[in-house]
Amino acid sequence: GAVVSQHPSWVICKSGTSVKIECRSLDFQATTMFWYRQFPKQSLMLMATSNEGSKATYEQGVEKDKFLINHASLTLSTLTVTSAHPEDSSFYICSARDSGRGHNEQFFGPGTRLTVL
Amino acid sequence: KQEVTQIPAALSVPEGENLVLNCSFTDSAIYNLQWFRQDPGKGLTSLLLIQSSQREQTSGRLNASLDKSSGRSTLYIAASQPGDSATYLCAVRGGSYIPTFGRGTSLIVHP
Repeated sequence: GAVVSQHPSWVICKSGTSVKIECRSLDFQATTMFWYRQFPKQSLMLMATSNEGSKATYEQGVEKDKFLINHASLTLSTLTVTSAHPEDSSFYICSARDSGRGHNEQFFGPGTRLTVL
Repeated sequence: KQEVTQIPAALSVPEGENLVLNCSFTDSAIYNLQWFRQDPGKGLTSLLLIQSSQREQTSGRLNASLDKSSGRSTLYIAASQPGDSATYLCAVRGGSYIPTFGRGTSLIVHP
């Protein structure tokens, strides 16, 4: 149980285009999902917290108009990188908190490797 | 603001050695601490979760300890194997329940 999937697992796009990444909780409901970014040999940096049915809360320094987050259902959150640039190339990981288990654990997706040419 | 430091940043050992990975955090008011494993280009796999009231957790060859007052945790790996090669991340969760991650320890176990 407690499986989180991400799609796509990797994507290559041209500079200026937009890319959408999906995060799904497969066997549990997640009222809260998180989006992280990880640069090579760096730790995971929280970008935003996404709550089902409401606006995402962005961390300081993260542009909300560039990284659009939608959490329309209890099992799906999407991150859209708008007008992507090479500096947006990174590994994006989502995680989901199981609503039934309280605050104890988050379950992480396998990540999406974004390369912007 | 919570800061999490992991030492060493990288470690290369021969197979069979017992290992200790260290994690320290600056704010001892934590809810729990979790150790993860991350293989190259992959997501995170949870290894051990220690609640703030606990001192240690064990799973197979892994043992994690927590000394909340000193802001330290260690991950002990017994009889290391090449399959243990990965990056090990420590994450500390405080009142916001959102974890703060360390940079990880990159481990290579060679045959």
